Amino acid sequence: GNSVTQMEGPVTLSEEAFLTINCTYTATGYPSLFWYVQYPGEGLQLLLKATKADDKGSNKGFEATYRKETTSFHLEKGSVQVSDSAVYFCALNYGQFYFGTGTSLTVIP
Amino acid sequence: GAVVSQHPSWVICKSGTSVKIECRSLDFQATTMFWYRQFPKQSLMLMATSNEGSKATYEQGVEKDKFLINHASLTLSTLTVTSAHPEDSSFYICSASFASLYNEQFFGPGTRLTVL
Repeated sequence: GNSVTQMEGPVTLSEEAFLTINCTYTATGYPSLFWYVQYPGEGLQLLLKATKADDKGSNKGFEATYRKETTSFHLEKGSVQVSDSAVYFCALNYGQFYFGTGTSLTVIP
Repeated sequence: GAVVSQHPSWVICKSGTSVKIECRSLDFQATTMFWYRQFPKQSLMLMATSNEGSKATYEQGVEKDKFLINHASLTLSTLTVTSAHPEDSSFYICSASFASLYNEQFFGPGTRLTVL
């Protein structure tokens, strides 16, 4: 079946630290991969996406590369800010969306 | 572009009453709309998928008579929680997609339902 596994949180980082949130997936075919961000009390916002192997999605300093060989789509940012504090969801789309459990990130000044 | 709205953003109701939540695509025609439920600190659980003019397809374990979904137009879907009980309290999120961008969904801001 199709599923997404992402690293457990919560993650707490100091401002300007490097961020990695791991995400791996299982899929029966070739899915599109996404990272969504959810701020407190709000819905999900698309952060970035990649539709095929070796594609790199990027937005607002965040990056993730679609790695078919390792079935991964890890989220990275070189220097986090307090405003990046949110819950991050990895997801795949193959007929329907499958979401990971979310990783809560808190960035402290 | 591709904005989805939900109304209300939060609602409190008494046990036994019914609550309707609206989901609208504001600047595009949504061929498919999705309803999710999210429990605190958990991921989104797909409840049902609806195509305009068709009956919704419910995920296993979701009660069709409890969660009534109507997708009467290409810009509006409604979720009615019938005879709500405290265990129905949750964050309900809708999303919408359109045919030419079928592999992406645009999410509404969510509706917080509290049943007393």
